[in-house]
Amino acid sequence: GAVVSQHPSWVICKSGTSVKIECRSLDFQATTMFWYRQFPKQSLMLMATSNEGSKATYEQGVEKDKFLINHASLTLSTLTVTSAHPEDSSFYICSARDWEHQGYGYTFGSGTRLTVV
Amino acid sequence: AQSVTQLDSQVPVFEEAPVELRCNYSSSVSVYLFWYVQYPNQGLQLLLKYLSGSTLVKGINGFEAEFNKSQTSFHLRKPSVHISDTAEYFCAVSEQGAQKLVFGQGTRLTINP
Repeated sequence: GAVVSQHPSWVICKSGTSVKIECRSLDFQATTMFWYRQFPKQSLMLMATSNEGSKATYEQGVEKDKFLINHASLTLSTLTVTSAHPEDSSFYICSARDWEHQGYGYTFGSGTRLTVV
Repeated sequence: AQSVTQLDSQVPVFEEAPVELRCNYSSSVSVYLFWYVQYPNQGLQLLLKYLSGSTLVKGINGFEAEFNKSQTSFHLRKPSVHISDTAEYFCAVSEQGAQKLVFGQGTRLTINP
């Protein structure tokens, strides 16, 4: 079945630095990938939708200059948290769609726990 | 825009008892519906999905859900739960023709021995 690999699984960084999170579709081509943020004991909030080869579409209230999304290939999307601050600490999860084989199925990565100190 | 409401934030159940986790949605168009499970510090695993056809959908781990269009509901059920079912469960909806998947608030299922 479709597998999405997300790395790193956890990261601690100093305030003011940038962190990159990778999301890879291992056995399918993901024309569309999604990035979510999840606060403790809360639901997943969609941050942005990225389509391969085009700019990401950000949800209202999400700072596109802080959360840079790149989807340069059909198997890789990256989320870079720039100039991270403690309030950016959260659990970030990516998701991908395999239109050819899954149609309306979504596959999720295992998540990245970011802690900014 | 679509929205999802999970009516119970927490559901405690004894082992081997039946359970129902409630989900209602709102949308002006036809939708696809999903239930996901999340274990601590992990991503989401698909339990089942409704795209079309039979309104009773069977998923993994003995779970099933019934799509009720008139009541705009998609409740998740299991006839007999196990300790290993302790997790967070999310209902999600996607409007047909749209890319977005919108999640409910989640229901924490706790199984007591």
